[in-house]
Amino acid sequence: GAVVSQHPSWVICKSGTSVKIECRSLDFQATTMFWYRQFPKQSLMLMATSNEGSKATYEQGVEKDKFLINHASLTLSTLTVTSAHPEDSSFYICSAEGGLNTEAFFGQGTRLTVV
Amino acid sequence: SQQGEEDPQALSIQEGENATMNCSYKTSINNLQWYRQNSGRGLVHLILIRSNEREKHSGRLRVTLDTSKKSSSLLITASRAADTASYFCATVPLYNTDKLIFGTGTRLQVFP
Repeated sequence: GAVVSQHPSWVICKSGTSVKIECRSLDFQATTMFWYRQFPKQSLMLMATSNEGSKATYEQGVEKDKFLINHASLTLSTLTVTSAHPEDSSFYICSAEGGLNTEAFFGQGTRLTVV
Repeated sequence: SQQGEEDPQALSIQEGENATMNCSYKTSINNLQWYRQNSGRGLVHLILIRSNEREKHSGRLRVTLDTSKKSSSLLITASRAADTASYFCATVPLYNTDKLIFGTGTRLQVFP
């Protein structure tokens, strides 16, 4: 099946710094990429949807100035957590899909710990 | 919230038994998907069922969809210890096909 590579798999950063997470579709063009956040033992919460070349659509309650999403190409989307705080510590997962009624392929996730 | 709900939240069974998980959702859908997640890992797609389908099989997996009740079920037959994971349903809304909305998940533990 298709592969989505997410990097890094884990990161520890100091409070106040910014962290960038990359999501790449390795063998297909992803028209849409999604970013999710998952708290321990809970479901994934959609943060934002991004289409290549356009601004991301953020879900209600997600601060777009804090979680910057860039989808510059059909194979790469990035999520930057700016001025990270301990409450931003979470598991972030991206997914990519090639079109409607196709399955979404997920990255392996990034465990962010802000200390 | 648009998030769907799954039950049970947790399920423990012995190897060889069948496991059934249920998913309910709130809005009309284009399709419904089931995913598996091993602890701390990304999700793996299991099966997709379209709104005009009622049942689908894939290996030991059987998925049903009842759009009148806005519910779906995932049946894993002859479970194995390796099936231990969290299972999530996710829906693509009919009128907003850019989204994939996840249910709350079921944690399945299969004892050898």
